[in-house]
Amino acid sequence: QKEVEQNSGPLSVPEGAIASLNCTYSDRGSQSFFWYRQYSGKSPELIMSIYSNGDKEDGRFTAQLNKASQYVSLLIRDSQPSDSATYLCAVNGWSGGSNYKLTFGKGTLLTVNP
Amino acid sequence: EAQVTQNPRYLITVTGKKLTVTCSQNMNHEYMSWYRQDPGLGLRQIYYSMNVEVTDKGDVPEGYKVSRKEKRNFPLILESPSPNQTSLYFCASSLKRGGLTTDTQYFGPGTRLTVL
Repeated sequence: QKEVEQNSGPLSVPEGAIASLNCTYSDRGSQSFFWYRQYSGKSPELIMSIYSNGDKEDGRFTAQLNKASQYVSLLIRDSQPSDSATYLCAVNGWSGGSNYKLTFGKGTLLTVNP
Repeated sequence: EAQVTQNPRYLITVTGKKLTVTCSQNMNHEYMSWYRQDPGLGLRQIYYSMNVEVTDKGDVPEGYKVSRKEKRNFPLILESPSPNQTSLYFCASSLKRGGLTTDTQYFGPGTRLTVL
């Protein structure tokens, strides 16, 4: 069973601080990694994708991938109250034949306090 | 507007009464999937479809059926719903699945199902 682990939180940070979200995965053959944001009662929306080791920056968001350590993280700089949501880590890996499967972590609840 | 739609958005039903949740996408995506989301359990895949007439089980397929007769539609069928199927359901689609990368999955707005 391929697993994706996240700290459940809640993670609470003050407005303007850096929020750091972490994720580990069990399948060493995983190829693609995603961070989704989900507001309460809403559907997940993609905020970052990363495929190779290192950092990828998009505005206030930076995704970091370390395949050797099987670790992916998301940094949110200058956190805003509107960033308060559950963040889902998703990992894509081979599931047999020509099939790939996206496995989600259980999510980390982030609260940004004004 | 590119989107995934689901209907109904909310449904309260009783045990054993067959129901269908519809899912439609207008992006010509090949891959479609159904997930359920429960507190403490996260998103779990129920069924997925790689293309028309090609479907396969996900992690929690028991009690569910799907069909993919057209590329845009992927309905989820509960033949005899039970209270343990009370959940938030999401349909998702992506352009294509496979290879070294995967395309972004776009999610529908969700269907909150309660089975009494």
